[in-house]
Amino acid sequence: DAKTTQPNSMESNEEEPVHLPCNHSTISGTDYIHWYRQLPSQGPEYVIHGLTSNVNNRMASLAIAEDRKSSTLILHRATLRDAAVYYCILRDWGYGGATNKLIFGTGTLLAVQP
Amino acid sequence: DSGVTQTPKHLITATGQRVTLRCSPRSGDLSVYWYQQSLDQGLQFLIQYYNGEERAKGNILERFSAQQFPDLHSELNLSSLELGDSALYFCASSQGLAGLDTQYFGPGTRLTVL
Repeated sequence: DAKTTQPNSMESNEEEPVHLPCNHSTISGTDYIHWYRQLPSQGPEYVIHGLTSNVNNRMASLAIAEDRKSSTLILHRATLRDAAVYYCILRDWGYGGATNKLIFGTGTLLAVQP
Repeated sequence: DSGVTQTPKHLITATGQRVTLRCSPRSGDLSVYWYQQSLDQGLQFLIQYYNGEERAKGNILERFSAQQFPDLHSELNLSSLELGDSALYFCASSQGLAGLDTQYFGPGTRLTVL
Protein backbone atom coordinates (compact mmCIF):
# COMPACT_ATOMS: atom_id res chain seq x y z
CA ASP A 1 0.00 0.00 0.00
CA ALA A 2 1.25 3.46 -0.88
CA LYS A 3 2.43 5.50 2.06
CA THR A 4 1.67 9.07 3.08
CA THR A 5 3.80 11.47 5.09
CA GLN A 6 2.35 14.25 7.23
CA PRO A 7 3.78 16.63 9.82
CA ASN A 8 3.22 15.41 13.36
CA SER A 9 1.58 18.61 14.52
CA MET A 10 0.48 22.06 13.42
CA GLU A 11 -0.95 25.10 15.12
CA SER A 12 -3.45 27.62 13.93
CA ASN A 13 -5.39 30.59 15.23
CA GLU A 14 -9.14 30.62 15.29
CA GLU A 15 -10.82 32.03 12.17
CA GLU A 16 -7.62 31.82 10.13
CA PRO A 17 -7.05 29.44 7.21
CA VAL A 18 -5.13 26.23 7.81
CA HIS A 19 -3.17 24.31 5.20
CA LEU A 20 -2.42 20.71 6.15
CA PRO A 21 0.14 19.10 3.80
CA CYS A 22 0.49 15.47 2.79
CA ASN A 23 3.18 13.82 0.70
CA HIS A 24 2.43 10.65 -1.23
CA SER A 25 5.25 10.26 -3.72
CA THR A 26 4.49 6.59 -4.49
CA ILE A 27 0.82 7.18 -5.32
CA SER A 28 -0.52 4.97 -8.11
CA GLY A 29 -2.85 5.97 -10.91
CA THR A 30 -5.85 4.34 -9.26
CA ASP A 31 -5.32 5.83 -5.81
CA TYR A 32 -7.72 8.45 -4.53
CA ILE A 33 -6.56 10.83 -1.80
CA HIS A 34 -8.86 10.76 1.22
CA TRP A 35 -8.84 12.79 4.38
CA TYR A 36 -10.40 11.71 7.64
CA ARG A 37 -10.16 13.44 10.97
CA GLN A 38 -10.55 12.28 14.55
CA LEU A 39 -11.89 14.74 17.08
CA PRO A 40 -10.95 14.12 20.73
CA SER A 41 -12.71 11.09 22.21
CA GLN A 42 -14.53 10.30 18.95
CA GLY A 43 -14.22 7.93 16.04
CA PRO A 44 -12.68 9.14 12.78
CA GLU A 45 -14.91 11.01 10.36
CA TYR A 46 -14.69 11.53 6.63
CA VAL A 47 -13.62 14.98 5.46
CA ILE A 48 -13.03 14.96 1.71
CA HIS A 49 -11.48 13.00 -1.15
CA GLY A 50 -10.20 13.63 -4.66
CA LEU A 51 -8.29 12.13 -7.58
CA THR A 52 -6.70 14.83 -9.70
CA SER A 53 -8.71 18.02 -9.57
CA ASN A 54 -9.13 20.29 -6.58
CA VAL A 55 -12.27 19.52 -4.59
CA ASN A 56 -14.48 21.57 -2.29
CA ASN A 57 -17.17 20.60 0.15
CA ARG A 58 -18.83 22.19 3.15
CA MET A 59 -16.06 21.08 5.47
CA ALA A 60 -12.88 21.78 3.52
CA SER A 61 -11.04 22.06 0.22
CA LEU A 62 -8.50 19.64 -1.17
CA ALA A 63 -5.73 20.93 -3.42
CA ILE A 64 -3.89 18.22 -5.36
CA ALA A 65 -0.51 18.82 -7.01
CA GLU A 66 -0.32 18.35 -10.75
CA ASP A 67 1.97 15.32 -10.39
CA ARG A 68 -0.29 13.99 -7.59
CA LYS A 69 2.68 13.40 -5.32
CA SER A 70 1.38 15.78 -2.71
CA SER A 71 -1.87 17.35 -1.59
CA THR A 72 -3.07 19.95 0.88
CA LEU A 73 -6.21 19.97 2.98
CA ILE A 74 -7.46 23.51 3.45
CA LEU A 75 -9.72 24.60 6.28
CA HIS A 76 -10.79 28.07 5.26
CA ARG A 77 -11.60 29.42 8.73
CA ALA A 78 -10.44 27.22 11.57
CA THR A 79 -12.68 26.96 14.59
CA LEU A 80 -11.96 25.45 17.98
CA ARG A 81 -14.06 22.48 16.90
CA ASP A 82 -11.56 21.74 14.12
CA ALA A 83 -8.90 20.73 16.66
CA ALA A 84 -8.30 17.09 15.76
CA VAL A 85 -5.90 14.58 14.24
CA TYR A 86 -6.11 14.75 10.44
CA TYR A 87 -5.27 11.65 8.45
CA CYS A 88 -4.33 11.64 4.77
CA ILE A 89 -5.08 8.19 3.30
CA LEU A 90 -4.68 6.71 -0.16
CA ARG A 91 -7.48 4.42 -1.32
CA ASP A 92 -7.67 2.38 -4.48
CA TRP A 93 -10.88 2.93 -6.42
CA GLY A 94 -11.19 -0.80 -7.00
CA TYR A 95 -14.22 -2.86 -6.10
CA GLY A 96 -14.26 -6.12 -4.22
CA GLY A 97 -13.52 -5.74 -0.56
CA ALA A 98 -9.82 -6.31 -0.26
CA THR A 99 -9.09 -2.66 -0.93
CA ASN A 100 -11.73 -1.16 1.31
CA LYS A 101 -9.69 -0.96 4.47
CA LEU A 102 -8.39 2.38 5.63
CA ILE A 103 -4.69 2.46 6.43
CA PHE A 104 -4.09 5.19 8.96
CA GLY A 105 -0.70 6.77 9.45
CA THR A 106 0.15 8.92 12.44
CA GLY A 107 -1.68 11.94 11.05
CA THR A 108 -1.29 15.62 11.91
CA LEU A 109 -2.47 16.87 15.28
CA LEU A 110 -4.00 20.30 14.67
CA ALA A 111 -4.22 22.67 17.61
CA VAL A 112 -6.44 25.74 17.23
CA GLN A 113 -5.77 28.69 19.49
CA PRO A 114 -8.56 31.12 20.39
CA ASP B 1 -23.91 11.23 15.02
CA SER B 2 -22.61 8.82 12.38
CA GLY B 3 -25.50 6.38 12.74
CA VAL B 4 -23.15 3.58 13.80
CA THR B 5 -23.70 2.37 17.35
CA GLN B 6 -21.32 0.41 19.54
CA THR B 7 -21.85 -1.21 22.90
CA PRO B 8 -20.61 -1.13 25.52
CA LYS B 9 -18.84 2.24 25.71
CA HIS B 10 -16.44 1.03 28.35
CA LEU B 11 -15.35 -2.43 29.38
CA ILE B 12 -13.02 -3.34 32.22
CA THR B 13 -11.96 -6.93 32.60
CA ALA B 14 -9.09 -9.11 33.76
CA THR B 15 -6.36 -10.92 31.89
CA GLY B 16 -7.41 -14.28 30.54
CA GLN B 17 -11.06 -13.30 30.18
CA ARG B 18 -13.22 -13.15 27.08
CA VAL B 19 -15.36 -10.20 25.96
CA THR B 20 -17.74 -9.41 23.13
CA LEU B 21 -18.04 -6.00 21.51
CA ARG B 22 -21.13 -5.21 19.50
CA CYS B 23 -21.68 -2.93 16.53
CA SER B 24 -24.81 -1.90 14.64
CA PRO B 25 -24.07 -0.36 11.23
CA ARG B 26 -25.88 2.56 9.65
CA SER B 27 -29.20 1.66 8.14
CA GLY B 28 -28.63 0.22 4.65
CA ASP B 29 -24.89 -0.34 5.03
CA LEU B 30 -23.75 -3.87 4.22
CA SER B 31 -20.06 -3.61 5.10
CA VAL B 32 -18.74 -3.56 8.64
CA TYR B 33 -15.12 -2.95 9.63
CA TRP B 34 -13.32 -3.29 12.93
CA TYR B 35 -10.32 -1.16 13.90
CA GLN B 36 -8.14 -1.11 16.98
CA GLN B 37 -6.55 2.08 18.29
CA SER B 38 -3.76 1.79 20.83
CA LEU B 39 -1.19 4.34 21.94
CA ASP B 40 1.77 2.49 20.46
CA GLN B 41 0.19 1.11 17.24
CA GLY B 42 -2.21 3.85 16.27
CA LEU B 43 -5.36 3.00 14.31
CA GLN B 44 -5.14 -0.45 12.74
CA PHE B 45 -7.59 -2.33 10.57
CA LEU B 46 -8.60 -5.69 11.99
CA ILE B 47 -11.27 -7.25 9.79
CA GLN B 48 -14.10 -6.51 7.35
CA TYR B 49 -17.43 -8.24 6.77
CA TYR B 50 -19.80 -7.71 3.89
CA ASN B 51 -23.36 -9.01 4.07
CA GLY B 52 -22.40 -11.71 6.51
CA GLU B 53 -19.19 -12.86 4.87
CA GLU B 54 -15.61 -12.11 5.82
CA ARG B 55 -14.00 -10.03 3.05
CA ALA B 56 -10.65 -8.78 4.33
CA LYS B 57 -8.37 -9.41 7.25
CA GLY B 58 -5.75 -7.16 8.72
CA ASN B 59 -3.54 -7.54 11.76
CA ILE B 60 -6.08 -9.49 13.74
CA LEU B 61 -4.77 -11.86 16.38
CA GLU B 62 -5.87 -15.49 16.38
CA ARG B 63 -7.41 -14.89 19.82
CA PHE B 64 -9.79 -12.42 18.18
CA SER B 65 -12.72 -13.35 15.98
CA ALA B 66 -15.68 -11.56 14.48
CA GLN B 67 -18.93 -12.28 12.75
CA GLN B 68 -21.73 -10.43 11.03
CA PHE B 69 -25.27 -11.60 11.61
CA PRO B 70 -28.25 -11.71 9.20
CA ASP B 71 -29.54 -8.42 10.62
CA LEU B 72 -26.08 -7.00 9.69
CA HIS B 73 -24.94 -6.21 13.20
CA SER B 74 -21.46 -7.44 14.01
CA GLU B 75 -19.65 -8.73 17.05
CA LEU B 76 -15.95 -8.78 17.81
CA ASN B 77 -14.91 -11.48 20.26
CA LEU B 78 -11.67 -11.10 22.15
CA SER B 79 -10.46 -14.05 24.20
CA SER B 80 -7.54 -14.91 26.49
CA LEU B 81 -7.15 -11.20 27.03
CA GLU B 82 -3.74 -9.73 27.71
CA LEU B 83 -2.75 -6.35 29.11
CA GLY B 84 -1.68 -5.29 25.61
CA ASP B 85 -5.21 -5.72 24.30
CA SER B 86 -6.26 -2.60 26.18
CA ALA B 87 -7.29 -0.18 23.45
CA LEU B 88 -10.13 1.62 21.77
CA TYR B 89 -12.04 -0.59 19.35
CA PHE B 90 -13.92 1.15 16.57
CA CYS B 91 -16.51 -0.24 14.27
CA ALA B 92 -17.20 1.43 10.93
CA SER B 93 -19.73 0.75 8.22
CA SER B 94 -20.06 1.56 4.54
CA GLN B 95 -22.64 0.93 1.84
CA GLY B 96 -20.89 -1.81 -0.06
CA LEU B 97 -17.58 -2.92 -1.46
CA ALA B 98 -16.55 0.02 -3.61
CA GLY B 99 -13.11 1.30 -2.75
CA LEU B 100 -14.44 4.84 -2.53
CA ASP B 101 -17.29 4.13 -0.15
CA THR B 102 -17.12 6.48 2.82
CA GLN B 103 -16.67 4.67 6.10
CA TYR B 104 -18.72 5.92 9.02
CA PHE B 105 -17.25 5.24 12.44
CA GLY B 106 -18.97 4.53 15.70
CA PRO B 107 -17.98 6.14 19.00
CA GLY B 108 -15.82 3.18 19.99
CA THR B 109 -15.54 0.77 22.91
CA ARG B 110 -12.76 1.43 25.37
CA LEU B 111 -11.39 -1.88 26.64
CA THR B 112 -9.23 -1.94 29.73
CA VAL B 113 -7.57 -5.22 30.69
CA LEU B 114 -6.27 -5.31 34.25
